[in-house]
Amino acid sequence: DADVTQTPRNRITKTGKRIMLECSQTKGHDRMYWYRQDPGLGLRLIYYSFDVKDINKGEISDGYSVSRQAQAKFSLSLESAIPNQTALYFCATSDFGANEQFFGPGTRLTVL
Amino acid sequence: QQQVKQSPQSLIVQKGGISIINCAYENTAFDYFPWYQQFPGKGPALLIAIRPDVSEKKEGRFTISFNKSAKQFSLHIMDSQPGDSATYFCAASKGGFNKFYFGSGTKLNVKP
Repeated sequence: DADVTQTPRNRITKTGKRIMLECSQTKGHDRMYWYRQDPGLGLRLIYYSFDVKDINKGEISDGYSVSRQAQAKFSLSLESAIPNQTALYFCATSDFGANEQFFGPGTRLTVL
Repeated sequence: QQQVKQSPQSLIVQKGGISIINCAYENTAFDYFPWYQQFPGKGPALLIAIRPDVSEKKEGRFTISFNKSAKQFSLHIMDSQPGDSATYFCAASKGGFNKFYFGSGTKLNVKP
């Protein structure tokens, strides 16, 4: 969905490096989410934010941190990347009171 | 422990056939059950969703069947087409919190 953009789309990095994945949305939604997708495991929630001042851990937050810089921007950071963080990462948004989540195109991250 | 279990992991169906994907859940507090469709290189997108107060919901060739007592729900794709080839995820959430628990995904291949 072009209304939710993610940068970069692909990234290769080395173990121990700090990396930031960025998400921007023009949908005007308050709620934003970060997921990772691994084969055979589906999508797992890393962090979610219901507004700029609200940040919550998801199922698998260890090794990750987030920043909600504005209503439209939600960044995911890996402070010290490790190989098992190699995955496809998705940002999503939803409107308050609505159930549907809108996903970005994803970032493929490889940690060597 | 995965909150939503999905099967099969992969499915091959001939054009015109019926595709059936199953999901099971444990948490009886779940009250919203969406199915998401993901094409290669894209983020998941909402396909169809159901609430537990109905046993079936149909939208075009796509039907969700819901069995509250068995805590199971399934996606049926009638007259499957090659364009339906994608990965399908079931999910569940509770209480309007938009915190989804996704199944592990089913890769559907519809052969012409």
